[in-house]
Amino acid sequence: DAGVIQSPRHEVTEMGQEVTLRCKPISGHNSLFWYRQTMMRGLELLIYFNNNVPIDDSGMPEDRFSAKMPNASFSTLKIQPSEPRDSAVYFCASRGTTGETQYFGPGTRLLVL
Amino acid sequence: SQQGEEDPQALSIQEGENATMNCSYKTSINNLQWYRQNSGRGLVHLILIRSNEREKHSGRLRVTLDTSKKSSSLLITASRAADTASYFCATDAWGGNTPLVFGKGTRLSVIA
Repeated sequence: DAGVIQSPRHEVTEMGQEVTLRCKPISGHNSLFWYRQTMMRGLELLIYFNNNVPIDDSGMPEDRFSAKMPNASFSTLKIQPSEPRDSAVYFCASRGTTGETQYFGPGTRLLVL
Repeated sequence: SQQGEEDPQALSIQEGENATMNCSYKTSINNLQWYRQNSGRGLVHLILIRSNEREKHSGRLRVTLDTSKKSSSLLITASRAADTASYFCATDAWGGNTPLVFGKGTRLSVIA
């Protein structure tokens, strides 16, 4: 099992640019979570999906952030336009129907200049 | 919002010593989990304890749960340099596919 796959692993961009982060959950998992981690705020839940449907996006900081899950094996988190304060590590995690454990990807380290 | 609060924020010990980290939370839970994060990596699940359990062991890990005090502790015995990482508690209020709520973590440094 390849685990949760995220791409890119590192992203450096300039303020105002669009950033797209990608996630492939573990096959057979039906829940997918996007988190953001910073030193100041710790690990924050941004949005989660059950069966490809967004359930709670109250953690999305503002309208510049959007997430989609077009199918069970792929999700994107988009930031448009990006700002320096978006610099963080973004994690994707997935969880199975009967499972209690969340499996995390390696994260995408985003730096917005 | 973050429910779990770990204590201490940082801990430095010598190799071979035991490390104890504490977690407090605010609302009722279905289970509580501990995760480890090595520098630059994602979080990895260590152990889960259910609300009706008081203590659980896994290798050198021992977790306790006191639901009356809404607190948990993680003990790592005979620590090794490889245990150096951040440790997070996460609470699961409902079970099923609702998200875990993570604390800010304890940074453990084990000095060889």
